[in-house]
Amino acid sequence: EIVLTQSPGTLSLSPGERATLSCRASQSVSSSYLAWYQQKPGQAPRLLIYGASSRATGIPDRFSGSGSGTDFTLTISRLEPEDFAVYYCQQYGSSQFTFGPGTKVDIK
Amino acid sequence: QVQLVESGGGVVQPGGSLRLSCAASGFTFSSYGMHWVRQAPGKGLEWVAFIRYDGSNKYYADSVKGRFTISRDNSKNTLYLQMNSLRAEDTAVYYCAKEGVGRFGESLGAFDIWGQGTMVTVSS
Repeated sequence: EIVLTQSPGTLSLSPGERATLSCRASQSVSSSYLAWYQQKPGQAPRLLIYGASSRATGIPDRFSGSGSGTDFTLTISRLEPEDFAVYYCQQYGSSQFTFGPGTKVDIK
Repeated sequence: QVQLVESGGGVVQPGGSLRLSCAASGFTFSSYGMHWVRQAPGKGLEWVAFIRYDGSNKYYADSVKGRFTISRDNSKNTLYLQMNSLRAEDTAVYYCAKEGVGRFGESLGAFDIWGQGTMVTVSS
């Protein structure tokens, strides 16, 4: 089973700042099958990025994804008040899906 | 609009059973694979099970294999999760989620639509 590790656990930033979130896999992940989600308290997750770098429908272009192999990054270019949330990476391979433990982006 | 609505959650004793349902609307349910994903209180997300659009293939997380069964009724636009031999560690919000599919019908390996979840509590 591929294990995903996310860092940092918590990121404290101010609105307007740039956020860089990391997702590292225990073995190589197909870039086609690496996704990122945003979850706010009391809400279901929302798909942000699929295929490592493609934005899902309706996702603002301040969200971008990059990476390959075992290292992937989600970047939020300028944080808006509604972006403070928990972010999860997720991979698919060998008929199994796994999530990372999440990175919480909170207001500094 | 595209919507998934889960139901069937509740409180059950250890060793008991529960069946969750997920009613789909706003899209052609019979054309898409479907998932169950859960989230224990204050914890992260855990994928539970997947079923292909026609029910021909099913995959499970090791933590639920042999205890949970995913199924679907395309005539009713409904997804199910039969949960047997429940344990305290199965306590979680259970979400159903739709398989994301690309423009050529290929699976994206991601979950593009989620329901609001139903809470399952396993406790004596």
